[in-house]
Amino acid sequence: DSGVTQTPKHLITATGQRVTLRCSPRSGDLSVYWYQQSLDQGLQFLIQYYNGEERAKGNILERFSAQQFPDLHSELNLSSLELGDSALYFCASSASSDPAEGYTFGSGTRLTVV
Amino acid sequence: QKEVEQDPGPLSVPEGAIVSLNCTYSNSAFQYFMWYRQYSRKGPELLMYTYSSGNKEDGRFTAQVDKSSKYISLFIRDSQPSDSATYLCAMKAAGNKLTFGGGTRVLVKP
Repeated sequence: DSGVTQTPKHLITATGQRVTLRCSPRSGDLSVYWYQQSLDQGLQFLIQYYNGEERAKGNILERFSAQQFPDLHSELNLSSLELGDSALYFCASSASSDPAEGYTFGSGTRLTVV
Repeated sequence: QKEVEQDPGPLSVPEGAIVSLNCTYSNSAFQYFMWYRQYSRKGPELLMYTYSSGNKEDGRFTAQVDKSSKYISLFIRDSQPSDSATYLCAMKAAGNKLTFGGGTRVLVKP
């Protein structure tokens, strides 16, 4: 157990729908990162929050949004889902906003859009 | 061209052999280098990190960085079937997010 908790583990939904993925960082970590992993694209950075504020943005689609709450948990919202959004979504956390030692990842949420 | 290139494999070795993995990168601003291991359907797990050229050892694992050649390596000695996984290199510049290679699938045969 890495200490980063992601729910749900699996999600199956239809095209056009909206889903919310949840992440609780390791105790004491202030930064949360969201990554998407697909077979053809590998691990792609989506967005980072640090202590409630957006810190960095990657190739995140406009249909996707995220936030970090005062208790430091984070949610990734995916709307108007398309078949191509099917992927593993990982949350990671770190104590600082710019760690030299990398991030700790959760076990991921497997999203299937049908 | 991707910022970080990694041979996807699969790399198949007999138990007890040395596993040799590598990545090349194009961004000279990368300063911090990591290796992650990912088992099927699990999250990436940090194995090693380093920020200087040269070698770093941790048990059976040795990470090597050559910044002049923009090349990093991971060696796994005395490989075990439990080392069968996908290995991802990752790197970052100061103030930037972690950028991953595509991963190399490794299979250690008993």
